[in-house]
Amino acid sequence: EVQLVESGGGLVKPGGSLRLSCAASGFTFSSYSMNWVRQAPGKGLEWVSSISSSSSYIYYADSVKGRFTISRDNAKNSLYLQMNSLRAEDTAVYYCARDPGGYSYGIDYWGQGTLVTVSS
Amino acid sequence: DIVMTQTPLSLSVTPGQPASISCKSSQSLLHSDGKTYLYWYLQKPGQSPQLLIYEVSSRFSGVPDRFSGSGSGTDFTLKISRVEAEDVGVYYCMQGIHFVTFGQGTKVEIK
Repeated sequence: EVQLVESGGGLVKPGGSLRLSCAASGFTFSSYSMNWVRQAPGKGLEWVSSISSSSSYIYYADSVKGRFTISRDNAKNSLYLQMNSLRAEDTAVYYCARDPGGYSYGIDYWGQGTLVTVSS
Repeated sequence: DIVMTQTPLSLSVTPGQPASISCKSSQSLLHSDGKTYLYWYLQKPGQSPQLLIYEVSSRFSGVPDRFSGSGSGTDFTLKISRVEAEDVGVYYCMQGIHFVTFGQGTKVEIK
């Protein structure tokens, strides 16, 4: 069974930093691209970043480019999101999500999410 | 960026009746590999999204056959043949041809 478990969320002041983690199990983590997707309170879904299986290809939404860094450790079956210079508008539940593979993009499995609150 | 537009934004359905949600993309979602990368998700209250349909019309593992997807190019539809109480939540379409973008979501409730 595919499992994705996020951690690391919490309350942080504007301008602060936070590092999210996602522990993956139930599949060969090193074979799949991974994503971070966020959802502001009461709002819709917004793709944040993606990373290919070997970390060769990394992409960011314009809203986080230059402030967030995605990374992975295939030996630890883990995905990360380093978030710097946080703003109030970054407040959201952050989901770790698996890309099913193929020639384009997609998401098949989601974690339960971790809440990040940016407030003074 | 590819913009995904869903209609309606909310839907109230009597149990046992059908429901339909439309999703339009600002660009064609047909990839050079011949596949069309349009997905449908359901986010039940208090839960993370779950995949229902991938590549326009393929049901994901464990998804009941009352859910079906159709469409091509830029116009897509999700249909629920007979809505059940467990189908309440917000439905999102998503494109995967150029990174990932989501529709605004359609909230489905039971009358």
